[in-house]
Amino acid sequence: GENVEQHPSTLSVQEGDSAVIKCTYSDSASNYFPWYKQELGKGPQLIIDIRSNVGEKKDQRIAVTLNKTAKHFSLHITETQPEDSAVYFCAASINTGNQFYFGTGTSLTVIP
Amino acid sequence: DTAVSQTPKYLVTQMGNDKSIKCEQNLGHDTMYWYKQDSKKFLKIMFSYNNKELIINETVPNRFSPKSPDKAHLNLHINSLELGDSAVYFCASSQALTGRQFGPGTRLLVL
Repeated sequence: GENVEQHPSTLSVQEGDSAVIKCTYSDSASNYFPWYKQELGKGPQLIIDIRSNVGEKKDQRIAVTLNKTAKHFSLHITETQPEDSAVYFCAASINTGNQFYFGTGTSLTVIP
Repeated sequence: DTAVSQTPKYLVTQMGNDKSIKCEQNLGHDTMYWYKQDSKKFLKIMFSYNNKELIINETVPNRFSPKSPDKAHLNLHINSLELGDSAVYFCASSQALTGRQFGPGTRLLVL
């Protein structure tokens, strides 16, 4: 089955700096890669996703890049703000179906 | 609001009790899920269900059983609760070609 590894497990950045979270996957059949943000006391919320037919996707201050050859994808947050502090999860799946695997999470702290 | 909702938000109970957690989605999604999140924040799939198929993670004890009265609801029933069942339980739903949408979670504490 798929194995999704996520690094780092914790990340602290100064407000205004960029944050990068990286994930690798093992199953070359995976073609859908979402990222979730989980704030304290809440459920994971989908913030951005990318499919295997594109290499990069942006939405305001967040972007995701995908390298299919190397089987890794990354979340980039620019101009970080304190409200970006949360746990971020990557995931890899085949067609958003039952074969859907989460990474182990990254706890991001943005220091004001 | 269109969303995935769960009740209760908090559940404190004694070992050995039986409890249920309810989940409803008004998104028109055809598949619903239950996840368990432990203290280390790992998200572990327990069940996925649509009107055709129930898929059970083989590591889930048979004390846990999903019940779906209709397409918009997937409840989780737990028999003979144990201390190790303490965790946050999330319901989620999805439709083909969309990511999973999660509910707010139910924080279960077994004493």
